[in-house]
Amino acid sequence: AQTVTQSQPEMSVQEAETVTLSCTYDTSENNYYLFWYKQPPSRQMILVIRQEAYKQQNATENRFSVNFQKAAKSFSLKISDSQLGDTAMYFCAFMKLISNFGNEKLTFGTGTRLTIIP
Amino acid sequence: EAGVAQSPRYKIIEKRQSVAFWCNPISGHATLYWYQQILGQGPKLLIQFQNNGVVDDSQLPKDRFSAERLKGVDSTLKIQPAKLEDSAVYLCASSLGRRYFGPGTRLTVL
Repeated sequence: AQTVTQSQPEMSVQEAETVTLSCTYDTSENNYYLFWYKQPPSRQMILVIRQEAYKQQNATENRFSVNFQKAAKSFSLKISDSQLGDTAMYFCAFMKLISNFGNEKLTFGTGTRLTIIP
Repeated sequence: EAGVAQSPRYKIIEKRQSVAFWCNPISGHATLYWYQQILGQGPKLLIQFQNNGVVDDSQLPKDRFSAERLKGVDSTLKIQPAKLEDSAVYLCASSLGRRYFGPGTRLTVL
């Protein structure tokens, strides 16, 4: 079974600064996806960024980027120029690639509560 | 594009009572998921539907939880009878590739 570990329960950073959230995972699979989801107080989970394990290049989405280290099974999220709207819970998640489309399981970490301070 | 709709947003019941949650997925999404998110934890999959068939319900406590997806569109999740440990947010998601989540229902069992 896959496990996802987020070792930072809470973090805070000043507005406009850069912050990095950590995530490690354990799997024997070679083909998989990794995700970062954001969950604001509204509770709706929003996809922030996705990384395919077969891609060596780190994914980037505007101010959000990842540092994917496959051998170390590490997948950190960097938020640059942090904004007040980035305040939320952030969940790292793992999904094994299964050939039967739609039969994939998403495993979440326990989350990091990020607070952006004005 | 309308998102995943869930109702109610909040529900408070006493233990041993019954409760039902409703989910309307994004139009055309064949796959529908119900997750349970206990405070301080990440979401845990309860059940996954592909159209109106169950793909995975291995973590659904079947002695008290049930779910159905009639006609492969809307879905309901029921708890009967509820226990204190069922207090959580219940998230519905749908996908046609990328997964989209609803706003969830916060259940409090007293």
